[in-house]
Amino acid sequence: GEDVEQSLFLSVREGDSSVINCTYTDSSSTYLYWYKQEPGAGLQLLTYIFSNMDMKQDQRLTVLLNKKDKHLSLRIADTQTGDSAIYFCAEGSGSARQLTFGSGTQLTVLP
Amino acid sequence: KAGVTQTPRYLIKTRGQQVTLSCSPISGHRSVSWYQQTPGQGLQFLFEYFSETQRNKGNFPGRFSGRQFSNSRSEMNVSTLELGDSALYLCASREASGRMGQFFGPGTRLTVL
Repeated sequence: GEDVEQSLFLSVREGDSSVINCTYTDSSSTYLYWYKQEPGAGLQLLTYIFSNMDMKQDQRLTVLLNKKDKHLSLRIADTQTGDSAIYFCAEGSGSARQLTFGSGTQLTVLP
Repeated sequence: KAGVTQTPRYLIKTRGQQVTLSCSPISGHRSVSWYQQTPGQGLQFLFEYFSETQRNKGNFPGRFSGRQFSNSRSEMNVSTLELGDSALYLCASREASGRMGQFFGPGTRLTVL
């Protein structure tokens, strides 16, 4: 079945860039998403990329997709303390009715 | 537009009881999905409804069921609750093509004692 893997923790200094990595196994993945979850809250959709794209930039967020290696990354520029949260990578194949999530990466931003 | 809403936000039940959770999708969204989030298993897909029909189902026992109404609101039901059902239950809605992603509600925190 599909599998999505992420490292569990990342710690950065305020103002630095953060890079969160994700690998997936389903070669038919059509859509890939990044979600953010703050304590006690639901999931906030940050950005997405289609499998026919290599890169997508959205303000401070840059998503890179390497289809050959099935590797996805999320770069957050000028990381702020408000960016501290858990970040989930998710993949959807076909019409993306069912998402498969990674285990989440806990991002801690140090002052 | 208002976001996805879920009620109640918190529930405490005892083993053997049943529970019903409710979800109202974003206006115009006809697809509603449910996910279970636990520290041990992470986020797992339960099922998806579209136009009152279940289209996809995850690997959960039959004690987990759901339905969708003509106004796209959805409910999920868990019967004969077990301790392991304690989790955050998240509802998500999406527009028809689904390409832009699923939008999640704040979740219902269920505690089974």
